[in-house]
Amino acid sequence: KAGVTQTPRYLIKTRGQQVTLSCSPISGHRSVSWYQQTPGQGLQFLFEYFSETQRNKGNFPGRFSGRQFSNSRSEMNVSTLELGDSALYLCASSLDRPAYGYTFGSGTRLTVV
Amino acid sequence: SQQGEEDPQALSIQEGENATMNCSYKTSINNLQWYRQNSGRGLVHLILIRSNEREKHSGRLRVTLDTSKKSSSLLITASRAADTASYFCATVLSNAGGTSYGKLTFGQGTILTVHP
Repeated sequence: KAGVTQTPRYLIKTRGQQVTLSCSPISGHRSVSWYQQTPGQGLQFLFEYFSETQRNKGNFPGRFSGRQFSNSRSEMNVSTLELGDSALYLCASSLDRPAYGYTFGSGTRLTVV
Repeated sequence: SQQGEEDPQALSIQEGENATMNCSYKTSINNLQWYRQNSGRGLVHLILIRSNEREKHSGRLRVTLDTSKKSSSLLITASRAADTASYFCATVLSNAGGTSYGKLTFGQGTILTVHP
């Protein structure tokens, strides 16, 4: 079966711009989470969606937002980009509940210049 | 902030040797998971151990969990060059309020290099 698909794979943006990243979960997975990975801060949780509702949110500024559609596909948006937003953004999907492991996509590498 | 620490930060071994990585965490957990990441790509789920389990095996992987010490270890036996990667432990916190949904809290990772 298809894995978690993230698009685009690479992105270069200018400070002040906004960006939208997309994630298609594994079929049947209704939970989608987003993570930011940087060399300095490591892997940090952004937010989680289930059935179009945000259930959990990490400690990121309001410039980071997301949403989930009825087909479980999810998007995250970062507005007013800063240099520090340069990172690998990873999406993960799961059947739900903490008892299951998560399947991650290959990530979107965002570079802000 | 990270939930815990991983030790060692880097590990270099020869093919055929065993590799052991340790992970400590700070708060009560529902389960602990180990992931592998190759060269800045996505994470691959390796194994999950629940808080009421002490040991789990999957192929060449053996994971132990000591909730009294808030620590876990991942043993990879008979390492191969293809095992070269970063390994992360991640916890799902135990929270009656349900706010741990979808949230993995990662350690900083161990970089494993297996030389042919």
